[in-house]
Amino acid sequence: QSVLTQPPSVSGAPGQRVTISCTGSSSNIGAGHDVHWYQQLPGTAPKLFIYGNINRPSGVPDRFSGSKSGTSASLAISGLQAEDEADYYCQSYDNSLRGYVFGTGTKVTVL
Amino acid sequence: EVQLLESGGDLVQPGGSLRLSCESSGFIFRNYAMAWVRQAPGKGLEWVSIIGTVRDGRTYYTDSVEGRFTISRDDSKSTLYLQMNSLRVEDTATYYCAKKFSGSYHFDYWGQGALVTVSS
Repeated sequence: QSVLTQPPSVSGAPGQRVTISCTGSSSNIGAGHDVHWYQQLPGTAPKLFIYGNINRPSGVPDRFSGSKSGTSASLAISGLQAEDEADYYCQSYDNSLRGYVFGTGTKVTVL
Repeated sequence: EVQLLESGGDLVQPGGSLRLSCESSGFIFRNYAMAWVRQAPGKGLEWVSIIGTVRDGRTYYTDSVEGRFTISRDDSKSTLYLQMNSLRVEDTATYYCAKKFSGSYHFDYWGQGALVTVSS
């Protein structure tokens, strides 16, 4: 059902840099809608991590950064830490569906 | 501090009804659109519904719940509701209440979730 596609999993050693892609279409990301990212730790509610493509809410480490280009967006985690192990979801708005859409989700594993 | 507290989750038979509530505090509830987002066990996030402020009062639903679910709000109680009728097994999920950030299409605060299980 998700219209935004993410890799199921990414992994990296502590200190490494990993990126998570979010691929949409001309009716959502490509239509100019912003992309937002949420972190979901096991057994907890999602938490806003990046909004408006590149902005970090207060309290989110600057190791996390977002970008957007064309019909895709990315979330990068630099200096990976054990506490970053979580599921990450991108989110945007879709003109065709006239609703909010989420990515398929990516599990980040710290080796 | 913004807090969203869902309640009303339960086990219900297929075809049954349930009403979820989300009590809010820490912000001026009437000024913000509010939404429900669900997550089936082991699955991803799915937007369910959203309601605007009293100024526009518009409601929107994802196709799979249109005509079965009704979102509403009571600004005097700072509470959001989701009335769910004709429940199906595939509606089984944790339902999160979320506050929409004004001027953007994202959700800046989430509740802890309420589990709805539809099973015979």
